[in-house]
Amino acid sequence: EVQLVESGGGLVQPGRSLRLSCTVSGFTFGDYVMIWFRQAPGKGLEWVGFIRSRAYGGTSEYAASVKGRFTISRDDSKSIAYLQMNSLTTEDTALYYCTRGVVSGVTPTLVAADYWGQGTLVTVSS
Amino acid sequence: EIVLTQSPATLSLSPGERATLSCRASQSVSSFLAWYQQKPGQAPRLLIYDASSRATGTPARFSGSGSGTDFTLTISSLEPEDFAVYYCQQRSSWPPSITFGQGTRLEIK
Repeated sequence: EVQLVESGGGLVQPGRSLRLSCTVSGFTFGDYVMIWFRQAPGKGLEWVGFIRSRAYGGTSEYAASVKGRFTISRDDSKSIAYLQMNSLTTEDTALYYCTRGVVSGVTPTLVAADYWGQGTLVTVSS
Repeated sequence: EIVLTQSPATLSLSPGERATLSCRASQSVSSFLAWYQQKPGQAPRLLIYDASSRATGTPARFSGSGSGTDFTLTISSLEPEDFAVYYCQQRSSWPPSITFGQGTRLEIK
């Protein structure tokens, strides 16, 4: 059974940092793109960023709203993805979801997220 | 950035009826369009990807269609468990990004 479990959320003051973890099981973690999304209370879904598998360079891409502040990394030996969040603002308050990417097409293209964790809540407040 | 606009914002229907949800992109996204269902207090669930491919476990009453800028999610005969919020999502290759529509709330009439 595929499982993704996020941890590390909590209450943090503006300007501080927080690191989220996503521990997975039930599939070969190293073969997949991992994507982070977030959802502010009562709002819609927002993409945060993703990290490619090692086979595709292991590089990351980020939404403009977090670029330069957030960093995604992965430890394939432990089946864990991380989201390092720096210089947090109240606008970053949200439920953060870790997900597994779906790749499609002849030239593999990330198209969707098929498995989601239950999310970890990050509240940025003084 | 590609903007996705979903309509209607809210759709009120009864169980057994057919639901048609729309998603329009501000520019072509080819067939890189996915649909998700989200129920209160739950994570989103992938229903459709590549505009028309059902994800594992998606019931056959859900179907997706469209390409380019106009897409539709159809639920052929609503079941009580289908009342939820539905989001469309696209993936751009350059610059790399993923964006969602604002969602359609499907409520029981």
